[in-house]
Amino acid sequence: GNSVTQMEGPVTLSEEAFLTINCTYTATGYPSLFWYVQYPGEGLQLLLKATKADDKGSNKGFEATYRKETTSFHLEKGSVQVSDSAVYFCALHGYGGATNKLIFGTGTLLAVQP
Amino acid sequence: DGGITQSPKYLFRKEGQNVTLSCEQNLNHDAMYWYRQDPGQGLRLIYYSQIVNDFQKGDIAEGYSVSREKKESFPLTVTSAQKNPTAFYLCASGRGPASSGANVLTFGAGSRLTVL
Repeated sequence: GNSVTQMEGPVTLSEEAFLTINCTYTATGYPSLFWYVQYPGEGLQLLLKATKADDKGSNKGFEATYRKETTSFHLEKGSVQVSDSAVYFCALHGYGGATNKLIFGTGTLLAVQP
Repeated sequence: DGGITQSPKYLFRKEGQNVTLSCEQNLNHDAMYWYRQDPGQGLRLIYYSQIVNDFQKGDIAEGYSVSREKKESFPLTVTSAQKNPTAFYLCASGRGPASSGANVLTFGAGSRLTVL
């Protein structure tokens, strides 16, 4: 079945450091891929998405490229801020079923220190 | 502003009691979902509904029940049969599967249930 694997946290960085959070997936066909972010005490918000191979999703300085050859969708940001501290979830939406169901990774906690 | 409202934000329950978590959306979305979040386990799907008066079990439906009598509302009941109910519960909504952009979900702020 479809699955998502993302790197375990916590990831601790200093402000202005470069961020990478790895995400790989297993799926049949051509799934859509997402990154959601959860700030403390809140629900999830869509950060970015990509719907086909080689697409790059971007938002708020974050980027991720849909790499079908490596089945990856790594999240990157060139210079993190304290306000980026949150839990980041990689997710996959597969096709072939009748449901609009997302499959989530386990989440990666990012802590940015001033 | 359109969005999803979950209530209560915090809830305490004694063992053996049923509790109902509310989820209301004004986004005119057809599909609604309940997820459970536990530390280190990500989000797991409990139930989902693609249309009024219809719903399906997700991956961990045992000990839970739902109803979908109105498009805007999708309450979740955590029954006494749920063996480990302490968790953070998230409600989400999205357009139906046939719509463009159908696969983007909007989440509520969550309800934290603690069993004493």
